[in-house]
Amino acid sequence: EPEVTQTPSHQVTQMGQEVILRCVPISNHLYFYWYRQILGQKVEFLVSFYNNEISEKSEIFDDQFSVERPDGSNFTLKIRSTKLEDSAMYFCASNPRDRGGNSPLHFGNGTRLTVT
Amino acid sequence: AQTVTQSQPEMSVQEAETVTLSCTYDTSESDYYLFWYKQPPSRQMILVIRQEAYKQQNATENRFSVNFQKAAKSFSLKISDSQLGDAAMYFCAYRSYNNNDMRFGAGTRLTVKP
Repeated sequence: EPEVTQTPSHQVTQMGQEVILRCVPISNHLYFYWYRQILGQKVEFLVSFYNNEISEKSEIFDDQFSVERPDGSNFTLKIRSTKLEDSAMYFCASNPRDRGGNSPLHFGNGTRLTVT
Repeated sequence: AQTVTQSQPEMSVQEAETVTLSCTYDTSESDYYLFWYKQPPSRQMILVIRQEAYKQQNATENRFSVNFQKAAKSFSLKISDSQLGDAAMYFCAYRSYNNNDMRFGAGTRLTVKP
Protein backbone atom coordinates (compact mmCIF):
# COMPACT_ATOMS: atom_id res chain seq x y z
CA GLU A 1 0.00 0.00 0.00
CA PRO A 2 1.40 3.42 -0.91
CA GLU A 3 2.65 5.50 1.99
CA VAL A 4 3.49 9.08 2.78
CA THR A 5 7.19 9.18 3.60
CA GLN A 6 8.98 11.81 5.65
CA THR A 7 12.64 12.51 6.09
CA PRO A 8 14.49 12.80 8.34
CA SER A 9 12.81 10.99 11.21
CA HIS A 10 14.62 13.20 13.69
CA GLN A 11 16.20 16.61 13.11
CA VAL A 12 18.17 18.56 15.68
CA THR A 13 18.94 22.20 14.97
CA GLN A 14 20.14 25.25 16.80
CA MET A 15 17.85 28.15 17.54
CA GLY A 16 17.90 30.67 14.70
CA GLN A 17 18.86 28.14 12.05
CA GLU A 18 16.79 27.30 9.01
CA VAL A 19 15.39 23.81 8.73
CA ILE A 20 13.66 21.99 5.87
CA LEU A 21 11.42 19.03 6.53
CA ARG A 22 10.78 16.78 3.57
CA CYS A 23 7.80 14.70 2.56
CA VAL A 24 6.89 12.53 -0.38
CA PRO A 25 3.09 12.31 -0.56
CA ILE A 26 1.28 9.41 -2.16
CA SER A 27 1.69 9.83 -5.91
CA ASN A 28 -1.91 10.24 -7.07
CA HIS A 29 -2.94 12.50 -4.20
CA LEU A 30 -3.94 16.08 -4.84
CA TYR A 31 -3.98 17.78 -1.44
CA PHE A 32 -1.05 18.03 0.90
CA TYR A 33 -0.87 19.12 4.51
CA TRP A 34 1.47 19.83 7.35
CA TYR A 35 0.47 19.31 10.95
CA ARG A 36 2.50 19.60 14.11
CA GLN A 37 2.21 17.99 17.52
CA ILE A 38 4.04 19.50 20.44
CA LEU A 39 4.97 16.70 22.83
CA GLY A 40 1.94 15.52 24.77
CA GLN A 41 -0.42 17.93 23.09
CA LYS A 42 -2.96 17.84 20.31
CA VAL A 43 -2.24 17.61 16.62
CA GLU A 44 -2.50 21.10 15.11
CA PHE A 45 -3.16 22.07 11.52
CA LEU A 46 -0.51 24.23 9.89
CA VAL A 47 -1.22 24.45 6.18
CA SER A 48 -2.86 22.80 3.20
CA PHE A 49 -1.54 22.94 -0.35
CA TYR A 50 -3.24 22.31 -3.66
CA ASN A 51 -2.35 23.01 -7.27
CA ASN A 52 1.01 24.48 -6.30
CA GLU A 53 -0.33 27.00 -3.87
CA ILE A 54 -1.43 27.29 -0.27
CA SER A 55 -5.17 26.74 0.02
CA GLU A 56 -5.50 27.27 3.74
CA LYS A 57 -3.26 28.04 6.68
CA SER A 58 -3.65 28.41 10.41
CA GLU A 59 -2.57 31.24 12.67
CA ILE A 60 0.46 29.14 13.61
CA PHE A 61 1.73 29.30 10.03
CA ASP A 62 3.35 32.73 10.17
CA ASP A 63 6.04 34.33 8.03
CA GLN A 64 8.67 32.01 9.46
CA PHE A 65 7.05 29.08 7.69
CA SER A 66 6.86 28.29 4.00
CA VAL A 67 5.94 25.28 1.91
CA GLU A 68 7.01 24.23 -1.52
CA ARG A 69 6.53 21.42 -3.99
CA PRO A 70 9.77 21.84 -5.89
CA ASP A 71 9.71 18.90 -8.26
CA GLY A 72 6.27 17.33 -8.44
CA SER A 73 6.98 14.66 -5.88
CA ASN A 74 8.50 16.27 -2.79
CA PHE A 75 6.57 18.56 -0.48
CA THR A 76 8.69 20.56 1.92
CA LEU A 77 8.13 22.65 5.02
CA LYS A 78 10.75 25.30 5.72
CA ILE A 79 11.17 27.11 9.00
CA ARG A 80 13.40 30.12 8.39
CA SER A 81 14.66 30.91 11.86
CA THR A 82 13.79 28.21 14.34
CA LYS A 83 12.69 28.99 17.88
CA LEU A 84 12.71 26.72 20.91
CA GLU A 85 8.92 26.49 20.74
CA ASP A 86 9.11 25.04 17.23
CA SER A 87 10.26 21.78 18.81
CA ALA A 88 7.54 19.31 17.92
CA MET A 89 6.62 16.34 15.79
CA TYR A 90 5.76 17.50 12.27
CA PHE A 91 3.41 15.34 10.26
CA CYS A 92 2.93 15.50 6.53
CA ALA A 93 -0.34 14.20 5.13
CA SER A 94 -2.03 13.85 1.78
CA ASN A 95 -5.36 12.81 0.33
CA PRO A 96 -6.68 12.20 -3.14
CA ARG A 97 -9.93 14.10 -3.04
CA ASP A 98 -10.81 17.72 -3.26
CA ARG A 99 -13.33 19.59 -1.17
CA GLY A 100 -16.40 17.64 -0.31
CA GLY A 101 -14.61 14.34 -0.26
CA ASN A 102 -14.70 12.10 2.74
CA SER A 103 -11.30 10.65 2.07
CA PRO A 104 -9.21 10.57 5.20
CA LEU A 105 -5.78 12.07 5.44
CA HIS A 106 -2.92 9.66 5.02
CA PHE A 107 -0.18 10.62 7.43
CA GLY A 108 3.54 10.10 7.27
CA ASN A 109 5.45 8.83 10.28
CA GLY A 110 6.48 12.33 11.25
CA THR A 111 9.73 14.21 11.72
CA ARG A 112 10.70 15.01 15.27
CA LEU A 113 12.25 18.47 15.29
CA THR A 114 14.34 19.42 18.31
CA VAL A 115 15.51 23.03 18.57
CA THR A 116 18.32 23.60 21.06
CA ALA B 1 -14.38 27.88 14.15
CA GLN B 2 -14.98 24.25 14.80
CA THR B 3 -13.66 22.76 18.02
CA VAL B 4 -13.27 19.16 19.02
CA THR B 5 -13.35 18.14 22.67
CA GLN B 6 -12.18 14.89 24.17
CA SER B 7 -12.98 15.05 27.84
CA GLN B 8 -11.11 11.90 28.87
CA PRO B 9 -7.34 12.45 28.92
CA GLU B 10 -6.80 8.82 29.95
CA MET B 11 -8.83 5.63 29.90
CA SER B 12 -8.00 2.06 30.74
CA VAL B 13 -9.66 -1.21 29.86
CA GLN B 14 -9.12 -4.85 30.67
CA GLU B 15 -8.09 -7.04 27.77
CA ALA B 16 -11.14 -8.53 26.01
CA GLU B 17 -13.46 -5.94 27.56
CA THR B 18 -15.22 -3.02 25.87
CA VAL B 19 -14.34 0.64 26.23
CA THR B 20 -15.95 3.82 24.92
CA LEU B 21 -14.01 6.99 24.19
CA SER B 22 -15.95 10.25 24.13
CA CYS B 23 -15.78 13.07 21.63
CA THR B 24 -17.93 16.15 21.18
CA TYR B 25 -17.57 18.91 18.65
CA ASP B 26 -18.92 22.33 18.00
CA THR B 27 -20.00 23.38 14.53
CA SER B 28 -22.68 25.35 12.74
CA GLU B 29 -22.26 23.32 9.58
CA SER B 30 -24.60 20.55 8.49
CA ASP B 31 -22.19 18.71 6.20
CA TYR B 32 -18.94 17.43 7.61
CA TYR B 33 -16.92 14.32 8.33
CA LEU B 34 -15.70 12.81 11.55
CA PHE B 35 -12.75 10.53 12.08
CA TRP B 36 -10.98 8.62 14.80
CA TYR B 37 -7.22 8.27 14.48
CA LYS B 38 -4.98 6.05 16.56
CA GLN B 39 -1.44 7.09 17.47
CA PRO B 40 0.60 4.20 18.94
CA PRO B 41 3.98 4.78 20.60
CA SER B 42 5.57 4.73 17.14
CA ARG B 43 3.83 8.15 16.68
CA GLN B 44 2.19 7.15 13.40
CA MET B 45 -1.31 8.49 12.80
CA ILE B 46 -3.52 5.60 11.74
CA LEU B 47 -7.11 5.99 10.61
CA VAL B 48 -9.45 3.85 12.70
CA ILE B 49 -12.89 4.79 11.43
CA ARG B 50 -14.77 7.56 9.63
CA GLN B 51 -18.34 8.86 9.59
CA GLU B 52 -20.16 11.11 7.17
CA ALA B 53 -22.51 13.49 8.95
CA TYR B 54 -25.28 12.94 6.42
CA LYS B 55 -25.40 9.23 7.19
CA GLN B 56 -27.61 8.19 10.07
CA GLN B 57 -26.13 4.73 10.28
CA ASN B 58 -23.20 4.42 12.65
CA ALA B 59 -19.94 3.35 11.06
CA THR B 60 -18.41 0.01 12.02
CA GLU B 61 -14.98 -1.45 11.30
CA ASN B 62 -14.54 -4.88 12.85
CA ARG B 63 -14.12 -4.33 16.60
CA PHE B 64 -14.46 -0.56 16.27
CA SER B 65 -17.79 1.22 16.07
CA VAL B 66 -19.07 4.72 16.65
CA ASN B 67 -22.12 6.21 18.26
CA PHE B 68 -22.82 9.29 16.19
CA GLN B 69 -25.41 11.63 17.66
CA LYS B 70 -25.66 14.55 15.26
CA ALA B 71 -28.10 16.63 17.29
CA ALA B 72 -25.94 16.26 20.37
CA LYS B 73 -22.74 16.74 18.33
CA SER B 74 -21.29 13.65 19.86
CA PHE B 75 -19.08 11.03 18.21
CA SER B 76 -17.92 8.33 20.60
CA LEU B 77 -15.72 5.38 19.70
CA LYS B 78 -16.44 1.92 21.06
CA ILE B 79 -13.70 -0.68 21.06
CA SER B 80 -14.97 -4.21 21.66
CA ASP B 81 -12.86 -7.18 22.72
CA SER B 82 -9.94 -4.87 23.50
CA GLN B 83 -6.49 -6.14 22.60
CA LEU B 84 -3.08 -5.18 23.92
CA GLY B 85 -2.28 -3.68 20.53
CA ASP B 86 -5.14 -1.21 20.94
CA ALA B 87 -3.11 0.69 23.52
CA ALA B 88 -2.44 4.10 22.00
CA MET B 89 -3.44 7.71 21.92
CA TYR B 90 -6.79 8.17 20.18
CA PHE B 91 -7.68 11.40 18.44
CA CYS B 92 -11.12 12.45 17.32
CA ALA B 93 -11.07 14.71 14.26
CA TYR B 94 -13.51 16.92 12.39
CA ARG B 95 -13.28 17.87 8.75
CA SER B 96 -15.55 20.44 7.22
CA TYR B 97 -17.19 19.74 3.89
CA ASN B 98 -15.97 23.09 2.60
CA ASN B 99 -12.39 23.38 3.67
CA ASN B 100 -9.33 21.27 3.88
CA ASP B 101 -8.11 21.41 7.41
CA MET B 102 -8.84 18.68 9.88
CA ARG B 103 -9.35 19.71 13.51
CA PHE B 104 -8.23 17.30 16.19
CA GLY B 105 -9.23 16.85 19.78
CA ALA B 106 -6.62 16.76 22.52
CA GLY B 107 -6.57 12.97 22.53
CA THR B 108 -7.36 10.14 24.94
CA ARG B 109 -4.59 7.83 26.06
CA LEU B 110 -5.92 4.28 26.20
CA THR B 111 -4.18 1.68 28.33
CA VAL B 112 -5.09 -2.00 27.92
CA LYS B 113 -4.44 -4.18 30.95
CA PRO B 114 -3.64 -7.86 30.44
